[in-house]
Amino acid sequence: SQTIHQWPATLVQPVGSPLSLECTVEGTSNPNLYWYRQAAGRGLQLLFYSVGIGQISSEVPQNLSASRPQDRQFILSSKKLLLSDSGFYLCAWSVQLSGKLFFGEGSRLTVL
Amino acid sequence: AQTVTQSQPEMSVQEAETVTLSCTYDTSESDYYLFWYKQPPSRQMILVIRQEAYKQQNATENRFSVNFQKAAKSFSLKISDSQLGDAAMYFCAYRSVEYGNKLVFGAGTILRVKS
Repeated sequence: SQTIHQWPATLVQPVGSPLSLECTVEGTSNPNLYWYRQAAGRGLQLLFYSVGIGQISSEVPQNLSASRPQDRQFILSSKKLLLSDSGFYLCAWSVQLSGKLFFGEGSRLTVL
Repeated sequence: AQTVTQSQPEMSVQEAETVTLSCTYDTSESDYYLFWYKQPPSRQMILVIRQEAYKQQNATENRFSVNFQKAAKSFSLKISDSQLGDAAMYFCAYRSVEYGNKLVFGAGTILRVKS
């Protein structure tokens, strides 16, 4: 069966510090991978998606970046965090051309 | 670009009663997928139900059913015999078939279930 894990679950970082959130999918190959952000009391905003290794599409221009160094690994990064980067980050995967999206457990980021 | 609108920020329902959550979307495409996701307090996103736009029959999953009105671009979720465990944030989502690599989500509706 397929599983998705993301870590860390909780992160408190000072403004200006770097960020690295990791997401790994098991039990499938060549998945579509996604990073979403959910601000407090709001819906999900798509940040990045990837259809293959090294292929990243950015939906929202900002100080975040994403990378896919391996088929089932997706990393969300920042060189310098802003206060506005605080939120709940969700990694997700789907089978190519399939409708269903499966989410990880989420990572709560607080920037102070 | 496609947009999804959930006009009800919050809804309440009595246990064992029925509630309907609204969702409208805007698209120029004729083929697409629509979804309802549930996000309980644990924050884990759970797929509730899926509808393919080319299918006229409304999708049903146990106590969950949808009213899909393609011409009106409306996709409401009906929860029958509501249970305490149904309390969650519900998100409506759209996915293009032609540009099928991403889901566009609505802002969400908080559902409260009263005992």
